[in-house]
Amino acid sequence: GEDVEQSLFLSVREGDSSVINCTYTDSSSTYLYWYKQEPGAGLQLLTYIFSNMDMKQDQRLTVLLNKKDKHLSLRIADTQTGDSAIYFCANREDTGRRALTFGSGTRLQVQP
Amino acid sequence: EAGVTQFPSHSVIEKGQTVTLRCDPISGHDNLYWYRRVMGKEIKFLLHFVKESKQDESGMPNNRFLAERTGGTYSTLKVQPAELEDSGVYFCASSQMLAGAEQYFGPGTRLTVT
Repeated sequence: GEDVEQSLFLSVREGDSSVINCTYTDSSSTYLYWYKQEPGAGLQLLTYIFSNMDMKQDQRLTVLLNKKDKHLSLRIADTQTGDSAIYFCANREDTGRRALTFGSGTRLQVQP
Repeated sequence: EAGVTQFPSHSVIEKGQTVTLRCDPISGHDNLYWYRRVMGKEIKFLLHFVKESKQDESGMPNNRFLAERTGGTYSTLKVQPAELEDSGVYFCASSQMLAGAEQYFGPGTRLTVT
């Protein structure tokens, strides 16, 4: 089966950049996602990237995809205390299935 | 527009009891999904409904879990009898029929089996 792995914890200072990394094993992934979960809330889709792209930028967020190494990263510029949350990497196969495969989540703590 | 809602937000039951979780998807979303996160690990897919039909139930762990979506609106997930390892957070999501459509997640139901 497919696996998605992430580091468990990241701590940064307010104003710094955060980089959250993810590796996956399924080479047929077509969509790769970053979700954010704040305390007591559901998962919120932050951004996604198609497998034929290398980079996607959306305001403070930059997603980099290295398909050869099956590595996905999320960079948050000028990290704010409101960015403190759990960030989940997820992918979807290139099949008819719509199931998402998630990593364990990276808890981002932003120090003021 | 209301988002995906789930009920209850938290349930504490004893081993061997039955619990039923409910999910109300976004109105008009034909796709409905159940996922769960156990003990801070990865979020795992359980199953996928298209309207009232089970499209993919490959993630259902065993026959103690029964999911229904009668009428193609809300869905229920029943665990009977509950075991200790069933503890976790159960998420529901819904999406439109478009390929690649975003899955919108509910806040989850935290299930604790003691």
